[in-house]
Amino acid sequence: QVQLVESGGGLVKPGGSLRLSCAASGFTFSDYYMSWIRQAPGKGLEWVSYISSSSSYTNYADSVKGRFTISRDNAKNSLYLQMNSLRAEDTAVYYCAREVTPWGQGTLVTVSS
Amino acid sequence: DIVMTQTPLSLSVTPGQPASISCKSSQSLLHSDGKTYLYWYLQKPGQPPQLLIYEVSNRFSGVPDRFSGSGSGTDFTLKISRVEAEDVGVYYCMQSIQLPPFTFGPGTKVDIK
Repeated sequence: QVQLVESGGGLVKPGGSLRLSCAASGFTFSDYYMSWIRQAPGKGLEWVSYISSSSSYTNYADSVKGRFTISRDNAKNSLYLQMNSLRAEDTAVYYCAREVTPWGQGTLVTVSS
Repeated sequence: DIVMTQTPLSLSVTPGQPASISCKSSQSLLHSDGKTYLYWYLQKPGQPPQLLIYEVSNRFSGVPDRFSGSGSGTDFTLKISRVEAEDVGVYYCMQSIQLPPFTFGPGTKVDIK
């Protein structure tokens, strides 16, 4: 069945970096656009970034533009989010999503000194 | 960006009774292709959001028929005909006509009386 599994979250100091990964299985990964969406503790959902199926187009929320980079490797069925210059307000569960469904279980990123 | 609003923000329902959630968008979600890109998700406690309804009124695979969606343009409604205990969680509407970004409503928390 379709499955998305995120990894790479953890505790990082302000100003630090982290790289999230999302392993996809059960579908033809290269046929779909993918997104990262995050949810701060106790808060709602915020779209973070988008990448087209061939990586030709990417886009970012203003809150992460210039600090985060989305990428994908269709040969490895994997999606990535490189996060630099992390701030406390980036603390959230980060979900990868295939178009509108499904979403992975998420990986927690905590930015704290 | 398109702004999504939801009312009410919280709802306490007696099992077996109906429930209704409203979602409004700041712009029409009707695309030139004739589709309206409005979705409903349910996020159960400790889980990622799961798709309930796509393109206003289409139940996603496996979603019970007590869930229904309606509306057009900028005004949409999710109805649960008879609420069950397993329906507790936070309901989000989302638009994808303007992609990116996806934008989400603030969420409606549903609990059982």
